[in-house]
Amino acid sequence: AQSVTQPDIHITVSEGASLELRCNYSYGATPYLFWYVQSPGQGLQLLLKYFSGDTLVQGIKGFEAEFKRSQSSFNLRKPSVHWSDAAEYFCAVGSGGYQKVTFGTGTKLQVIP
Amino acid sequence: DGGITQSPKYLFRKEGQNVTLSCEQNLNHDAMYWYRQDPGQGLRLIYYSQIVNDFQKGDIAEGYSVSREKKESFPLTVTSAQKNPTAFYLCASSRGRQNTEAFFGQGTRLTVV
Repeated sequence: AQSVTQPDIHITVSEGASLELRCNYSYGATPYLFWYVQSPGQGLQLLLKYFSGDTLVQGIKGFEAEFKRSQSSFNLRKPSVHWSDAAEYFCAVGSGGYQKVTFGTGTKLQVIP
Repeated sequence: DGGITQSPKYLFRKEGQNVTLSCEQNLNHDAMYWYRQDPGQGLRLIYYSQIVNDFQKGDIAEGYSVSREKKESFPLTVTSAQKNPTAFYLCASSRGRQNTEAFFGQGTRLTVV
């Protein structure tokens, strides 16, 4: 069965510092991978997705993620964090329709001045 | 503007009562989904529908019911049989084909009092 692990429940970074959120997955074939962001009390917004091709994916708000098949990882990065990036981030894996997409348990990001 | 509208944003219900959460989309998407979100558990799939007049149970369908009479609408009823209904509920839609992502509504927070 497919699964997604986000090992960090909470992360705190200083504004302007770099950010890396970890995501490891288990999937039997080439996965479709997603990163979503959720502000408190809001829905999820897609940051970026990987389906095939270039393993370094650019997304919105200055985020990027790299698909590493050998490590079963799809880590999210941002070179310089802004206070508005404070939110919860979800990694997801699956294919063939969203009924087959599995979400991770999320990482809450706190940004300090 | 195209998007997904969930209403109401907050909902209170007395124990033993059924309640219906609304989800409407004007994205012309074929597939629609209902998720439940609890702290620390990520998103869990309740029901999904890939076409009008058809829907399938997800991972946690017990105590819930849905209908899909129109392409744009996918209401969720939380019945009195749901043992622990207090949660944040998210509706999503997608084109339903592979290589697509889902778009989410802003959510409904249901509290049983």
